[in-house]
Amino acid sequence: DAGVTQSPTHLIKTRGQQVTLRCSPKSGHDTVSWYQQALGQGPQFIFQYYEEEERQRGNFPDRFSGHQFPNYSSELNVNALLLGDSALYLCASSRFGGQGNEKLFFGSGTQLSVL
Amino acid sequence: AQKITQTQPGMFVQEKEAVTLDCTYDTSDPSYGLFWYKQPSSGEMIFLIYQGSYDQQNATEGRYSLNFQKARKSANLVISASQLGDSAMYFCAMREFYGGSQGNLIFGKGTKLSVKP
Repeated sequence: DAGVTQSPTHLIKTRGQQVTLRCSPKSGHDTVSWYQQALGQGPQFIFQYYEEEERQRGNFPDRFSGHQFPNYSSELNVNALLLGDSALYLCASSRFGGQGNEKLFFGSGTQLSVL
Repeated sequence: AQKITQTQPGMFVQEKEAVTLDCTYDTSDPSYGLFWYKQPSSGEMIFLIYQGSYDQQNATEGRYSLNFQKARKSANLVISASQLGDSAMYFCAMREFYGGSQGNLIFGKGTKLSVKP
């Protein structure tokens, strides 16, 4: 049973460029959430997708956008990259409408470096 | 206001000893859940244990237990019989249940645990 998979594992971009990160959820999961983890910090919630729609959003600018496909996989897009966007981007999957103890399963993340 | 506070940036523990990692939280929602995750150097967040706000008993999962003190708003993780493989970052997180729906996880800044042989 494959867990959450993310690609690529590492990425180097320059300021102003655009980037797309990809995530495949754990089998049986239909909800994907994205988190940004800056160095030395805990993960911060970006947004959550379910049924191909953004359901919740954290305090991130519109430069951050996403998409969910019919097979539940998801993409995170970041436009006009800033140096401060350098971080580990974590994807997490879960089942929508589960109990409050529904745990998130995380991937190993994409390390984005913006130069 | 910070909702999850982990006051210990780093902790050391001798192998086979127990260690407590502190976590305090702040919420006005009566329904919430508290989670602990482990993050090894590989980056993946690994679920350890969960405690619901209405749970009467402290949660336990193998060598992990959660010391839940609701009045003090604390949810400390206790790891018994530490192993070298326990060396990692540990994050406390909270989920608030807005109007019955599942909220996102709010994480603390983490505690780096180092287990000494």
